[in-house]
Amino acid sequence: QEQLVESGGGLVKPEGSLRLSCAASGFTFSDYYMSWIRQPPGKGLEWISYVGGSGKTKYYADSVQGRFIVSRDNAKNSMYLQMNSLSVDDTAVYYCARGSRAVDDAFDIWGHGTVVTVSS
Amino acid sequence: DIQMTQSPSSLSASVGDRVTITCRASQSMSGYLNWYQQKPGKAPKLLIYAVSSLQSGVPSRFSGSGSGTEFTLTISGLQAEDFATYYCQQSFDTPPFTFGPGTKVDIK
Repeated sequence: QEQLVESGGGLVKPEGSLRLSCAASGFTFSDYYMSWIRQPPGKGLEWISYVGGSGKTKYYADSVQGRFIVSRDNAKNSMYLQMNSLSVDDTAVYYCARGSRAVDDAFDIWGHGTVVTVSS
Repeated sequence: DIQMTQSPSSLSASVGDRVTITCRASQSMSGYLNWYQQKPGKAPKLLIYAVSSLQSGVPSRFSGSGSGTEFTLTISGLQAEDFATYYCQQSFDTPPFTFGPGTKVDIK
């Protein structure tokens, strides 16, 4: 069964850091690009980062550029999001999602999400 | 970057109704328009990709259409399990892969 499971969320103070993980199973991880997408409480979805299958190509939303770093370890079937200089505006549920060429780069598999709360 | 808008932001409907949601892009796209359904407390679920292709396992009452900058999601015969929030999203060209603001469908 194809599955993504996020972990690493929690409560962090403003200006703090946090590292999220996304563990994949049931498919050949390196064949797919991956993204992080977040959803603040009561609000819509915001795409924030992309990493290509090899890990070399990366993109970020302007809102996180320079503060967040996405990476992946294909040997461990995992993707990571290092979040630095966090602010209250980063409070959200963070989802990892698989992007598939088979569905024209749509996100066909999503994790259940991990909650990040930034508060003093 | 491509910006996405949706209308309406919310709607009330009854079981059996035909529901239409519109998504507009700030520039013309050749396909690469996707629709997701999200229920409270759950992750989004892909319904339709590439404007009109139904994702595996999604009921045929869901359909998508459109071209250029205007796209539509139609639910033909709304079911109780369809009450949710729907998002369009573009995967055209390179990221950012922006989402629309969402349309909440609730019970009339």
